[in-house]
Amino acid sequence: RKEVEQDPGPFNVPEGATVAFNCTYSNSASQSFFWYRQDCRKEPKLLMSVYSSGNEDGRFTAQLNRASQYISLLIRDSKLSDSATYLCVVIQGAQKLVFGQGTRLTINP
Amino acid sequence: DAMVIQNPRYQVTQFGKPVTLSCSQTLNHNVMYWYQQKSSQAPKLLFHYYDKDFNNEADTPDNFQSRRPNTSFCFLDIRSPGLGDAAMYLCATSRIGTGRNYGYTFGSGTRLTVV
Repeated sequence: RKEVEQDPGPFNVPEGATVAFNCTYSNSASQSFFWYRQDCRKEPKLLMSVYSSGNEDGRFTAQLNRASQYISLLIRDSKLSDSATYLCVVIQGAQKLVFGQGTRLTINP
Repeated sequence: DAMVIQNPRYQVTQFGKPVTLSCSQTLNHNVMYWYQQKSSQAPKLLFHYYDKDFNNEADTPDNFQSRRPNTSFCFLDIRSPGLGDAAMYLCATSRIGTGRNYGYTFGSGTRLTVV
């Protein structure tokens, strides 16, 4: 079983749609959780951290369910510029950043 | 303003010819990481340095080595590159204190082609 698993995608949605990604992690001792965004042939960039209480940043909402070891990302009112690969990321211990395989999102005009 | 700098951005090397990729940082972060990312795959951790302590991942091939001569610099050495080593190599840094990680910063990556 992979340490971090994501929806395989790809997701193709029209502009303005709401889209949700899911992610599960296997190590119950994982402490910190993030969503990263990666554009084609670029490095991953932090989109947002994920907290147990859930957190929102503009059109983006992240949720964490520790009991189910499940993380989600919701994008509302999607824009063309949201097209990218979204990576679920978990920190194991204090040092190790583990990535999911990523979900490719394409927003269509 | 670049804080984690990787050189070169693109590297072409011959099959079997040793190659070194470099990473430098101006953040004074105590941890530096090397990730390998192949097309349409997640970044995979090869190894990391926590200060001077080297931490190798169990499945990292012996063909991959790393050096960290000081806080600012870290190198990835591929002793005998094979065609399967063609990938994007990402350097990242983080600051860790009292068991807490304060966040990661990635370099722009070096895309390695093996011919």
